[in-house]
Amino acid sequence: DTAVSQTPKYLVTQMGNDKSIKCEQNLGHDTMYWYKQDSKKFLKIMFSYNNKELIINETVPNRFSPKSPDKAHLNLHINSLELGDSAVYFCASSQSPYGYTFGSGTRLTVV
Amino acid sequence: AQTVTQSQPEMSVQEAETVTLSCTYDTSESNYYLFWYKQPPSRQMILVIRQEAYKQQNATENRFSVNFQKAAKSFSLKISDSQLGDTAMYFCAFMNTNAGKSTFGDGTTLTVKP
Repeated sequence: DTAVSQTPKYLVTQMGNDKSIKCEQNLGHDTMYWYKQDSKKFLKIMFSYNNKELIINETVPNRFSPKSPDKAHLNLHINSLELGDSAVYFCASSQSPYGYTFGSGTRLTVV
Repeated sequence: AQTVTQSQPEMSVQEAETVTLSCTYDTSESNYYLFWYKQPPSRQMILVIRQEAYKQQNATENRFSVNFQKAAKSFSLKISDSQLGDTAMYFCAFMNTNAGKSTFGDGTTLTVKP
């Protein structure tokens, strides 16, 4: 059983489209995150939810909207995709302070 | 705000030898957690080792150990008996105890040569 599963693994889409990435964890962790890894491999936090409540919202364009229907799920919806959104997006969960369990990442390519 | 610095963008080591990856951080907090994560070419991020700031004893996980110097704000990772499967990008990370948010360094790409 995959602990943190993200879908899809790859996403290729045109500029201007809207897309969603889904994440589910079966570890019973209270906190979930979205991180963006750019082409230089830098990792930057985007959002964090604790038990369905948004607790971290970094400086991210409002075209990005997270949604957490329950504490096991955290989805990321992106509107009006731009070329600069191309990156790998990681979902992670944690039961602080034991470190993160990451999903396998979603490589988003905007053309 | 916390910052994490990994000053070695790339390193290489011969198989079976030992290598040390450097990490320094800056924080005004007294209690926090430090981590090393590994990202092999498969892209999967894997937790390697964890250190609690209030513990003086250095963490060890099999061939992986850390040298934690709290006063110097230094947290290096030592890999002993390097294996080809250790080839990966390694990220140092700092976690704030309250927010649970981690700040990552820019990573060090390690290549283990046969």
